[in-house]
Amino acid sequence: GAVVSQHPSRVICKSGTSVKIECRSLDFQATTMFWYRQFPKQSLMLMATSNEGSKATYEQGVEKDKFLINHASLTLSTLTVTSAHPEDSSFYICSARDQDRVQETQYFGPGTRLLVL
Amino acid sequence: AQKITQTQPGMFVQEKEAVTLDCTYDTSDPSYGLFWYKQPSSGEMIFLIYQGSYDQQNATEGRYSLNFQKARKSANLVISASQLGDSAMYFCAMREGYAGNNRKLIWGLGTSLAVNP
Repeated sequence: GAVVSQHPSRVICKSGTSVKIECRSLDFQATTMFWYRQFPKQSLMLMATSNEGSKATYEQGVEKDKFLINHASLTLSTLTVTSAHPEDSSFYICSARDQDRVQETQYFGPGTRLLVL
Repeated sequence: AQKITQTQPGMFVQEKEAVTLDCTYDTSDPSYGLFWYKQPSSGEMIFLIYQGSYDQQNATEGRYSLNFQKARKSANLVISASQLGDSAMYFCAMREGYAGNNRKLIWGLGTSLAVNP
């Protein structure tokens, strides 16, 4: 149980295009999902908390107009990197909180490697 | 001040031996949760083990156990009988406060573990 999928796993795009990343909880419902960014050899950096049916909560320094988050259902959250630039190249990984477990473990998707040329 | 400290950037262990990965934390909240995740080179974050601040016993999950010393604010991960597949980055994380209200995780910088044949 507690499987999270993320698509695509890898994407290469031209500068100026938008890229959408999907995060799905496959066997549980998740009212809350989290979006992280990770640079090589570094820890996870939380970008935003995605709440089903409401606006996402962004961390300080993360541009909400640049990184659009939509959490339209209990099993799906999407992150859209708008007008991507080379500095947006990174590893993006989502997690979903299993609301039925007391400890509220976050289960992670396999991540998306974004390369902007 | 860092709230989660992993003092070992890199560790080596011989196959079949046990290894301890250190994690200390800082919080004034009496209620919190501690998590360990494994990140192989593929990038996925794999949940390993959880310890709640009020748990009376140290958590165990197969070859993983958590040496929880509340007074010292440490939550070290012990991996017994190391296997080559254990080579990965290991992250310690903390959730402060009671579960709920979309509490985010605070992450350590990670420890890179290499298992030698």
